[in-house]
Order: sequence, then C-alpha cells, then structure tokens
Amino acid sequence: ELKVEQNPLFLSMQEGKNYTIYCNYSTTSDRLYWYRQDPGKSLESLFVLLSNGAVKQEGRLMASLDTKARLSTLHITAAVHDLSATYFCAVEFHRGSTLGRLYFGRGTQLTVWP
Amino acid sequence: DTEVTQTPKHLVMGMTNKKSLKCEQHMGHRAMYWYKQKAKKPPELMFVYSYEKLSINESVPSRFSPECPNSSLLNLHLHALQPEDSALYLCASSQDWSGGQPQHFGDGTRLSIL
Repeated sequence: ELKVEQNPLFLSMQEGKNYTIYCNYSTTSDRLYWYRQDPGKSLESLFVLLSNGAVKQEGRLMASLDTKARLSTLHITAAVHDLSATYFCAVEFHRGSTLGRLYFGRGTQLTVWP
Repeated sequence: DTEVTQTPKHLVMGMTNKKSLKCEQHMGHRAMYWYKQKAKKPPELMFVYSYEKLSINESVPSRFSPECPNSSLLNLHLHALQPEDSALYLCASSQDWSGGQPQHFGDGTRLSIL
C-alpha cells in the first residue's frame, strides 16, 4: 500500500522566517496535491502538481514535485500569522485498472507567532 | 463558502438512532466522495461514487450506507453507530474520477454519538 510521510508534523515558526515542509511517498506517482485545513474547517485545495519538476506558487507558498525522488516540498517564505493551519499533502495512486484515489499524509500543524 | 454543501453541520445521535447526512454540489462533478476525519488525523476515504455508481467501498461497516440519488446529491445513512464513529464527516467532489483534478471538500458534518 502507498505510504505518504510528511515532516515535520508540528512546526512553530516566527513571523518573517522561511521553512519547508516535506512530503515523501513510497510508490511511483506523478500527481500530488496540497491542502490547507483551518481548525474545525474543511480542506482547501492549494496546489495541484501533475508532472515531474512541477512548481506552483501562490503568495508566500511554493510547492514543487520531484517524481524521481518521490518527494514534494511546500516552502513558506516570510511567514505571517494567517498561514497558521494544518497542511496535508495527498498523493494520487492508480492501482492496476483502478482509477486514482488519494492517500493523505498525516499533516503538518503550522503555528506562526509574532 | 465552499461549493460543496453539507447538512447538517452538527449532529448528535444515540446509538439506536437512524439519521442521514446530505451532500450537494452543483459544479457538474461526476465523482463524489465520503471521508471520515478524526481529530488531528488526515481524512480517511470511505466511499467513492463515479457517475452515480458506487466504485469504492473501503471496507466500511454496514452501519454506514451511502446513496447517490443523482449526480448532484450524495447521502450517507447512519444506523446503530458506535461511540468510535464520532468524527467529522467530509464530502468531496471532483470533475470525474480519471484523476488529475483536485477534490473540492464541503465544510463537513461533525457527528457525536452518545
């Protein structure tokens, strides 16, 4: 079964600092998604990465995908308090003829403090 | 506001009750999903409907019964639930099940079993 590992699971960072969240997965896939979840809220789609070398940026967040290394990163630049949330990566996997389903990482709980 | 609408937002029920969760989307999506999410955990896939047909049942106990009356609606019928079934139940939809598109999540129903 596909395994998706995120690290760190908890991240406390000061405003203005940079940091990277890592998402490793165990089986070949070229489709990876990043979601954000605020406490008690739903999941919001942040990035869709569909090929090796894909890079997407939105504001202070940038996501990339290296399918050969089976690694995606979510880089945070100059963090602000509003980025505090839990971030999930999810890998899409096709098993045989079965169409794709998502396998989620455990999530990274990010807290940004002044 | 999300484009996937779930009702009710909160539900408290006894172990002998029968209740239903409802999910609606009007984006023309042909794949719909039910997930269960426990606190501080990633969503766990329960069911997938593709073109109104059940395509995946992740070995979910029979006390959960999904139904897809039409392409816009998805229900989850609940009967004789256990306390461990208390969780946030999320509905999601995507354009179809061929992959490569993000899933859009509703705000969820927070279910408590007494």
